[in-house]
Amino acid sequence: EPEVTQTPSHQVTQMGQEVILRCVPISNHLYFYWYRQILGQKVEFLVSFYNNEISEKSEIFDDQFSVERPDGSNFTLKIRSTKLEDSAMYFCASRYQGNTEAFFGQGTRLTVV
Amino acid sequence: GESVGLHLPTLSVQEGDNSIINCAYSNSASDYFIWYKQESGKGPQFIIDIRSNMDKRQGQRVTVLLNKTVKHLSLQIAATQPGDSAVYFCAEEARTGGGNKLTFGTGTQLKVEL
Repeated sequence: EPEVTQTPSHQVTQMGQEVILRCVPISNHLYFYWYRQILGQKVEFLVSFYNNEISEKSEIFDDQFSVERPDGSNFTLKIRSTKLEDSAMYFCASRYQGNTEAFFGQGTRLTVV
Repeated sequence: GESVGLHLPTLSVQEGDNSIINCAYSNSASDYFIWYKQESGKGPQFIIDIRSNMDKRQGQRVTVLLNKTVKHLSLQIAATQPGDSAVYFCAEEARTGGGNKLTFGTGTQLKVEL
């Protein structure tokens, strides 16, 4: 069964450092998303990406965040200068079309120390 | 503003019983309401969705009910099994464009007791 894969599963970084979280969406999917989940809280939308550009972003997705689809398979989330409050699980998701279900990856746990 | 919330943070049921997980929403413009299951250490897994013009939809062992009058959504799980133990999130979205972001509720922990 096709799945969304994310790497690494766990990333520890120093405050102020840049991190890149990687995702490989399901191959024929066209819509891509990043969500985050602070421990014990609900899943929050960060950004959606379609046709090589951002479709929508939340207030959380400030200038420190960026997304990129560098090739035909990867979808990355970059945080330029991490803060303690960026510590969370980051989930990548993809969907084939806008009206179909979204599939989530297993997540990357980011710990900023 | 829009919000999706859950009435019960934890629900404990006996194996074999039926489970009912509830959710309240406030955004009447949402097109779809979705239930996701999240097991420990994993990402949300799609269970079932319902379009806003429907009031009931059935899947395998699961039924979603939508009451637009009171803005209430519920997930019924028949014959609950130990493998159903997880956090269940309701979510809503307006499937109107390329974004189609999901707005999640706070989650209900379902515990299945043997």
